[in-house]
Amino acid sequence: EVQLVESGGGLVQPGGSLRLSCAASGFTLGDYWMHWLRQPPGEGLMWISVIRHDGTGTTYADSVKGRFTISRDTAKNTLYLQMNSLRAEDTAFYYCARDASAKPYDLWGQGTLVTVSS
Amino acid sequence: DVVLTQSPLSLPVTLGQPASISCRSSQSLVHSDGNTYLNWFQQRPGQSPRRLIYKVSNRDSGVPDRFSGSGSGTDFTLKITRVEAEDVGVYYCMQNTHWPPYTFGQGTKLEIK
Repeated sequence: EVQLVESGGGLVQPGGSLRLSCAASGFTLGDYWMHWLRQPPGEGLMWISVIRHDGTGTTYADSVKGRFTISRDTAKNTLYLQMNSLRAEDTAFYYCARDASAKPYDLWGQGTLVTVSS
Repeated sequence: DVVLTQSPLSLPVTLGQPASISCRSSQSLVHSDGNTYLNWFQQRPGQSPRRLIYKVSNRDSGVPDRFSGSGSGTDFTLKITRVEAEDVGVYYCMQNTHWPPYTFGQGTKLEIK
């Protein structure tokens, strides 16, 4: 079955770190651009980051640049989001999504909730 | 950044009646390659988003033909010919012509009257 499964969310204190994972099955991550997006509870969708299919390039939203790092492990067919210096405003459901050649987000994970609070 | 403005933000509709959502962009979404990268997503309560339409008017596999997308330049529309109960949720337009960042509209909440 073609799917994405996120994990790694949870409660973290302000200033803390967390690493999210997105395990892909039924397809090869390296064939697609892959994105992270987030959605604060009850709010809209926001794009965070993208990694190109060959892993050569990454891009970030200004709000997370310098704090978040997107990466992937092709052997494990898994996408990651390392989140450092977390702030209360980073509290959200985090989704990974697949981008099929300029036809973005044809496949989404189920989301994982990150809560930043003391 | 490209700003997408959706209207209305709340859309109460009677079952079986049509519905229409507008998405207006702060700049033309025509890419230098000639394509227009405007997409529509549906998010049902408690679920992840699901893409309905890509590149303005291309319906995704499995999407009922009561959904259609149209528009050009800066003005786009998602139409539902006859609303069904399973259509309840929030609808987002999204552009990937001018990035970064990829941007979404605020969302339109469709509910049954």
